[in-house]
Amino acid sequence: AQSVSQHNHHVILSEAASLELGCNYSYGGTVNLFWYVQYPGQHLQLLLKYFSGDPLVKGIKGFEAEFIKSKFSFNLRKPSVQWSDTAEYFCAVITSSNTGKLIFGQGTTLQVKP
Amino acid sequence: NAGVTQTPKFRILKIGQSMTLQCAQDMNHNYMYWYRQDPGMGLKLIYYSVGAGITDKGEVPNGYNVSRSTTEDFPLRLELAAPSQTSVYFCASDSQGNTGELFFGEGSRLTVL
Repeated sequence: AQSVSQHNHHVILSEAASLELGCNYSYGGTVNLFWYVQYPGQHLQLLLKYFSGDPLVKGIKGFEAEFIKSKFSFNLRKPSVQWSDTAEYFCAVITSSNTGKLIFGQGTTLQVKP
Repeated sequence: NAGVTQTPKFRILKIGQSMTLQCAQDMNHNYMYWYRQDPGMGLKLIYYSVGAGITDKGEVPNGYNVSRSTTEDFPLRLELAAPSQTSVYFCASDSQGNTGELFFGEGSRLTVL
């Protein structure tokens, strides 16, 4: 079955530290990849997406992610985190065989200490 | 433009009770979804709809029912509430259904005691 795995469940960083959250998916065909963010007390919102083209995609608030097809990965990065980045982050995928149904990873809780 | 609106935001149910979670969107989106979010489990798809009159099961449909009589509304019904249905429920919509760019409601926190 298709799945998405996020390896870091809870990450604690100090402000200005660099961030990388891992995401791997299990599907050999065409995929669209996403990172969603859920700030405390808010609903999920799209952070960035990859459909095709340049495998390095940039999203809002200085986040970026790199699609590495050979590794089935779509890791999220930010060079310098801020306290306001404290949130839960979800990786998600739509596959060519599962059109219309977004499959989510387990989520990573990021806590940034001021 | 309200986006996706869910009601109620919080509800406590007793085992065996029934209730309906309401979801409405004003963006004229065809595709709508219900997810449940449990700690450490991410979001699991319960049901989805590709348009009025059409619904289909997701990963975890047992214990739930949906209907889609209009483009705007996509209610989720729990017939016989069980403690395993304690969760946060999110409704979402997508204009085309294959973009993955979902617009989410604010969630409904349900506790079954």
